[in-house]
Amino acid sequence: EPEVTQTPSHQVTQMGQEVILRCVPISNHLYFYWYRQILGQKVEFLVSFYNNEISEKSEIFDDQFSVERPDGSNFTLKIRSTKLEDSAMYFCASLLLDGAYEQYFGPGTRLTVT
Amino acid sequence: TQLLEQSPQFLSIQEGENLTVYCNSSSVFSSLQWYRQEPGEGPVLLVTVVTGGEVKKLKRLTFQFGDARKDSSLHITAAQTGDTGLYLCAGARGTSYGKLTFGQGTILTVHP
Repeated sequence: EPEVTQTPSHQVTQMGQEVILRCVPISNHLYFYWYRQILGQKVEFLVSFYNNEISEKSEIFDDQFSVERPDGSNFTLKIRSTKLEDSAMYFCASLLLDGAYEQYFGPGTRLTVT
Repeated sequence: TQLLEQSPQFLSIQEGENLTVYCNSSSVFSSLQWYRQEPGEGPVLLVTVVTGGEVKKLKRLTFQFGDARKDSSLHITAAQTGDTGLYLCAGARGTSYGKLTFGQGTILTVHP
């Protein structure tokens, strides 16, 4: 069964460094999302992306964050200058569109900022 | 802010018992999805409900969407130890591709 994949599974970085989290959505899906989950808290929406542009973003998604679909398969989240509070699980999700409601999530990347 | 309140937050039961998890909001959602999440992994989709009053069954799991599309419930019949995990509800407003707002989750523990 097709699934969303994410790399790396765990990323450790120092405060102020840039990180890029990578996702490969399900191949025929057209709508892509990033969510994050700080340990012990709710899953929170960051950004949605369609047709090579941001569709919606939350207040968390400030100028330090950016997303890109560099080719036909990858979808990336970049954090330019990481802060301690960026430590969280980051989940990518994709949706078929075409009237579908189901968002399918990847296994996540655990980001630890030291 | 659209909030989804899940209750109970923790549920500890014996194998064979029935249970219900609730997901409530003051907002109307166009769809509501239930996920199960294992520690350190991503949410896995169980079901999506779209129509007010809709009931969906997945083996021993029954999902219901409220008539006003503001609330939902998950009922498990004859719980098994394999049902142990974190159950999340998540709602989308407006379009079918809108962002999901998640509840805080219900941690279910089924004892043998």
